[in-house]
Amino acid sequence: AQSVTQLDSHVSVSEGTPVLLRCNYSSSYSPSLFWYVQHPNKGLQLLLKYTSAATLVKGINGFEAEFKKSETSFHLTKPSAHMSDAAEYFCVVSAYNQGGKLIFGQGTELSVKP
Amino acid sequence: NAGVTQTPKFRVLKTGQSMTLLCAQDMNHEYMYWYRQDPGMGLRLIHYSVGEGTTAKGEVPDGYNVSRLKKQNFLLGLESAAPSQTSVYFCASSYPTGGNQPQHFGDGTRLSIL
Repeated sequence: AQSVTQLDSHVSVSEGTPVLLRCNYSSSYSPSLFWYVQHPNKGLQLLLKYTSAATLVKGINGFEAEFKKSETSFHLTKPSAHMSDAAEYFCVVSAYNQGGKLIFGQGTELSVKP
Repeated sequence: NAGVTQTPKFRVLKTGQSMTLLCAQDMNHEYMYWYRQDPGMGLRLIHYSVGEGTTAKGEVPDGYNVSRLKKQNFLLGLESAAPSQTSVYFCASSYPTGGNQPQHFGDGTRLSIL
């Protein structure tokens, strides 16, 4: 069975400093992994996805994530935080061969201080 | 492009009342999904559909029914609302996928059961 664990429920950074949101996954198969962002009172927006191509995946708004099979991790990073990055972030793994079902982590709330 | 549209955006019900949430997508996606989001629990799959006229149970289907009579619409019904169904409900859609296609989300329906 697949699962994801987001290691921090809340992360706070200052504007202009790096962002690191941590995610570990468990999967018996080569996983498809996603990061989604949710701004207040909005739906989820895809940031990036990994589907067994390059291990370093670049997404929108300057975010990127690195797939590390040996560490079963898929951490999300950004070199310099912006106030508009304040939101909730979800690490997601796709359930293998189950009609595209997604398994969500519990979410990490990112706060950005001026 | 409208993408995924959910109706209504907010609703307050009394225990025992029934209602239907409507999801419409204009991207010609084959697959559609209903999730509920509760604090600290990420998103959990209620029901999903891999095509017109087909539906399947997700992780938390009890107390809900769904119908997919048209490809572009996916309806979620609560036959007898309970306070435990107070939540934010999200609809999503995607192309046919073995797991590597992202899902596109609506902005949610905020439902309170008194």
